[in-house]
Amino acid sequence: ETGVTQSPTHLIKTRGQQVTLRCSSQSGHNTVSWYQQALGQGPQFIFQYYREEENGRGNFPPRFSGLQFPNYSSELNVNALELDDSALYLCASSLDAGELFFGEGSRLTVL
Amino acid sequence: KNEVEQSPQNLTAQEGEFITINCSYSVGISALHWLQQHPGGGIVSLFMLSSGKKKHGRLIATINIQEKHSSLHITASHPRDSAVYICAVRSRETSGSRLTFGEGTQLTVNP
Repeated sequence: ETGVTQSPTHLIKTRGQQVTLRCSSQSGHNTVSWYQQALGQGPQFIFQYYREEENGRGNFPPRFSGLQFPNYSSELNVNALELDDSALYLCASSLDAGELFFGEGSRLTVL
Repeated sequence: KNEVEQSPQNLTAQEGEFITINCSYSVGISALHWLQQHPGGGIVSLFMLSSGKKKHGRLIATINIQEKHSSLHITASHPRDSAVYICAVRSRETSGSRLTFGEGTQLTVNP
């Protein structure tokens, strides 16, 4: 067990809806990153937060947004859901640029 | 061409065999990660390397920075090693935890 927890584990939404996914980092970790993994593919970097500031972003549109809170937990928000947003969403926490600890993921299905 | 290429894509072995998974990358890196992903999605970090070789139990990871190549070896393979193994690199040009992932190698070890 990594100490990183994600919620919810599974959810189903319809096109156009909004979703919020949550990640609780391992104690003492100040960096969190989010990844999207489509079925059969490797994860794709969405963005990362370091001490509550976004400090890196992948090739995802602005409807993907996030927050990191003072306790270093984090949220990923996706607006105007599209069918292609169906994927496993993973968060990973670390202390600075150290070893990554991943959560179990949130599996999102968009109908 | 992807920045991170893994081979083979799929690998089937008999219990007890020695296994090698390869990873080549095209960018300058500050670190390379080997990750393990079981069905259901959760990812476990196996190694973080910036040079040389690391060993943990039956797993060995090596990296050659000049050749931009890394290998993951599993000695005395066991059916519980069956999983997807993913190579990911942290580019020198990016900060924090941003990773670029390979597509993964699906390993099946038969009893």
